[in-house]
Amino acid sequence: QITLKESGPTLVNPSQTLTLTCTFSGFSLNTSGVGVGWIRQPPGKALECLSLIYWNDNKRYSPSLKSRLTITKDTSKNQVVLTMTDMAPVDTATYYCAHIRTWMNVWVDAIDIWGQGTVVTVSS
Amino acid sequence: DIQMTQSPSSLSASVGDRVTITCRATQSIGNYLNWYQQKPGKAPHLLIYAASRLQSGVPSRFIGGGSGTDFSLTISSLQPEDFATYYCQQSSSPSWTFGQGTKVEIK
Repeated sequence: QITLKESGPTLVNPSQTLTLTCTFSGFSLNTSGVGVGWIRQPPGKALECLSLIYWNDNKRYSPSLKSRLTITKDTSKNQVVLTMTDMAPVDTATYYCAHIRTWMNVWVDAIDIWGQGTVVTVSS
Repeated sequence: DIQMTQSPSSLSASVGDRVTITCRATQSIGNYLNWYQQKPGKAPHLLIYAASRLQSGVPSRFIGGGSGTDFSLTISSLQPEDFATYYCQQSSSPSWTFGQGTKVEIK
């Protein structure tokens, strides 16, 4: 059974750096076709994909946030860490980490398992 | 960025109705299109991947279609548990993007 859980601060001051950790079980980030993504959702708004990291260390970032984001993986700890610098009130959102699966027969990947999400508020 | 536009933004329907949501991409994405359902206060849930393939465990009343730039999600007979917000998402470009969501409400 695949599970993912996000952890990190619930309140961040403006201009600070946010560090979120995704701790997962039930899969390995050494397995071909597997990835982990970070997606956020401001209150009452749509989903936004922030960053992805794959088994081969291929990393992807949202173009509009690329300068502020860093994603890393620690396969020995089954963790993926996302850092986001220069936080602002508009970054207040629920942050989700998620398991990415690649269906090799159609070469499509999608998020098939989501964490429960963690609410991050940016305020002084 | 590839932009994804869903329509309508919201709709009201009754149990048993056939409902269709559309999703349009700003450039061709082949079949790299996924659909998710999200209920209030919960994480999204994958319904359809590769435009038309039903995720394991998802009821067959959910039907995905389309390719290129135009896609659809049809619920053939709306059930009480289907009232939720639906999102399309493209995985064609390295930077994934979601539609703005379609809220399906009870009439």
